[in-house]
Amino acid sequence: DGGITQSPKYLFRKEGQNVTLSCEQNLNHDAMYWYRQDPGQGLRLIYYSQIVNDFQKGDIAEGYSVSREKKESFPLTVTSAQKNPTAFYLCASSIGGGSDEQYFGPGTRLTVT
Amino acid sequence: GNSVTQMEGPVTLSEEAFLTINCTYTATGYPSLFWYVQYPGEGLQLLLKATKADDKGSNKGFEATYRKETTSFHLEKGSVQVSDSAVYFCALSLYNFNKFYFGSGTKLNVKP
Repeated sequence: DGGITQSPKYLFRKEGQNVTLSCEQNLNHDAMYWYRQDPGQGLRLIYYSQIVNDFQKGDIAEGYSVSREKKESFPLTVTSAQKNPTAFYLCASSIGGGSDEQYFGPGTRLTVT
Repeated sequence: GNSVTQMEGPVTLSEEAFLTINCTYTATGYPSLFWYVQYPGEGLQLLLKATKADDKGSNKGFEATYRKETTSFHLEKGSVQVSDSAVYFCALSLYNFNKFYFGSGTKLNVKP
């Protein structure tokens, strides 16, 4: 089955540690995205990538980093510089071109204490 | 700029009631419009979409019509079920921007 996988579903870290969230897609999509969702809130764009080896900052990129070395993979690192990292993180992909629908993964809930 | 505004929730309805969730947008070009649904603890799933004015998207009894004159894309369903309880997001995308703009989401609670 084609789709997007995110792992793990739940992640716990101590404050001051960097943590990397995985996102893999087998849809052959060019574009991939990372969003953050806080309780009762909408989605905020962290980073997006339109093509391999290229990515752009979204609205809340501070304290996060990404890489796009392979078409199917777009890992997100939450660094210790991120002030409030506890949130639900969603990865998405689309064919590209901007007007196509985005397909979402199941999300990773990160808790930092 | 580009933005999406949704009615605030939560919306609480009895089973078989009629549902309307309002969505209006502001866009610098000609957007495509989408409704997504999110069940607790899960990612978003595409519910329906419309790509040009007067198009009607429909799926699973839900429908929404792209109204350019009122810049709206209201979600409707004639008879809701308990299983429709979820958070609904309105969104737009613009061809040249490769970005989505999401509304803040509307939580729907359907009581038996």
